[in-house]
Amino acid sequence: EAQVTQNPRYLITVTGKKLTVTCSQNMNHEYMSWYRQDPGLGLRQIYYSMNVEVTDKGDVPEGYKVSRKEKRNFPLILESPSPNQTSLYFCASSFGQGSYEQYFGPGTRLTVT
Amino acid sequence: QQPVQSPQAVILREGEDAVINCSSSKALYSVHWYRQKHGEAPVFLMILLKGGEQKGHEKISASFNEKKQQSSLYLTASQLSYSGTYFCGTAGGVDGGSNYKLTFGKGTLLTVNP
Repeated sequence: EAQVTQNPRYLITVTGKKLTVTCSQNMNHEYMSWYRQDPGLGLRQIYYSMNVEVTDKGDVPEGYKVSRKEKRNFPLILESPSPNQTSLYFCASSFGQGSYEQYFGPGTRLTVT
Repeated sequence: QQPVQSPQAVILREGEDAVINCSSSKALYSVHWYRQKHGEAPVFLMILLKGGEQKGHEKISASFNEKKQQSSLYLTASQLSYSGTYFCGTAGGVDGGSNYKLTFGKGTLLTVNP
């Protein structure tokens, strides 16, 4: 089944404890992206990647890191999480090359205390 | 800067029509529309590119006025399944890569009642 998977789906952590949220897609998509969703603010793009080793900042990259070493994986790293990073996070992917439809993962609900 | 969506919320009865607007303060190259049902991930509806034609998807269509930097989503003869939050995403790049740097609006909550 073609899909975007994220792990973990739920995570409660403490301030300053490094964490990684994984994202993987099995559709051979070139493009991948991370978003955060907060009540009343909609979706905000954190980082995106056009292909392996090519990443770029979205609108809210502060406090986040990403890497794209393999085409299928695009992990989101929070080196020192803070409570303002408590949010619902979505990973998405797209074929790229002029195809813009993004397929979203199920979401990861992160709480930082 | 996030595009502005209006209205913020709308309630319809089955069979009624609705229009959701998306307005940006900067020049746009493309507008992307997504729908998100409660507790689920967003799902792609359509994209409108600068210079492109008005798009349609069954009873859901959209237009893009490049000069006014606005897009509108039209839902006709609404069904219960149309309920959800609609987001527009805008991209200002003129090259293909920049169409992936999206800024989304805050969403419009659409409720369709029997």
